[in-house]
Amino acid sequence: QKEVEQDPGPLSVPEGAIVSLNCTYSNSAFQYFMWYRQYSRKGPELLMYTYSSGNKEDGRFTAQVDKSSKYISLFIRDSQPSDSATYLCAMSARQAGTALIFGKGTTLSVSS
Amino acid sequence: DTAVSQTPKYLVTQMGNDKSIKCEQNLGHDTMYWYKQDSKKFLKIMFSYNNKELIINETVPNRFSPKSPDKAHLNLHINSLELGDSAVYFCASSRVSGNTIYFGEGSWLTVV
Repeated sequence: QKEVEQDPGPLSVPEGAIVSLNCTYSNSAFQYFMWYRQYSRKGPELLMYTYSSGNKEDGRFTAQVDKSSKYISLFIRDSQPSDSATYLCAMSARQAGTALIFGKGTTLSVSS
Repeated sequence: DTAVSQTPKYLVTQMGNDKSIKCEQNLGHDTMYWYKQDSKKFLKIMFSYNNKELIINETVPNRFSPKSPDKAHLNLHINSLELGDSAVYFCASSRVSGNTIYFGEGSWLTVV
């Protein structure tokens, strides 16, 4: 079983839709959870950062972490064409000698 | 000001050649990374340096050799390039190991 699983999509939605992106993981030591957004031919940029379980909201974006289920989600409300990108989940145990482990990314397309 | 910059952005080279990719960060971070993103967009850690010391060295062919002259720079040298080395190579940095990381724009390497 891979450490981080993420459905690659593609996911196509109309403008204004609510989008749900998800990742599951197997390593119970993970405590730090992030979502990155990557536009075509660009580097990934940090979108959301969450520590341990719970919710975090930033504008149209909400990140949820359920450590008991080893499941994290990113919700995008009122999706816009500019949200069309690949979304990568990433997580870390933040121990010495570790690095972020990424999911394979979900490609999202929002049509106007 | 660009936080993490890497050069060149695009590189097309023949099999067997040796090439280098340079990376610099002006964020004052102590940890720098090289990630490889394959054609399916999967981001995988290759190396990590903390204050010029190698702390992560994933299973990467010996033809890949990172060099960190100081904590703001991490270069990647690749010997005897092979077709399978074609990918996007991302440099990144973080304040501490395993924390949120900030990516450069990527270097698109094509081996022909």
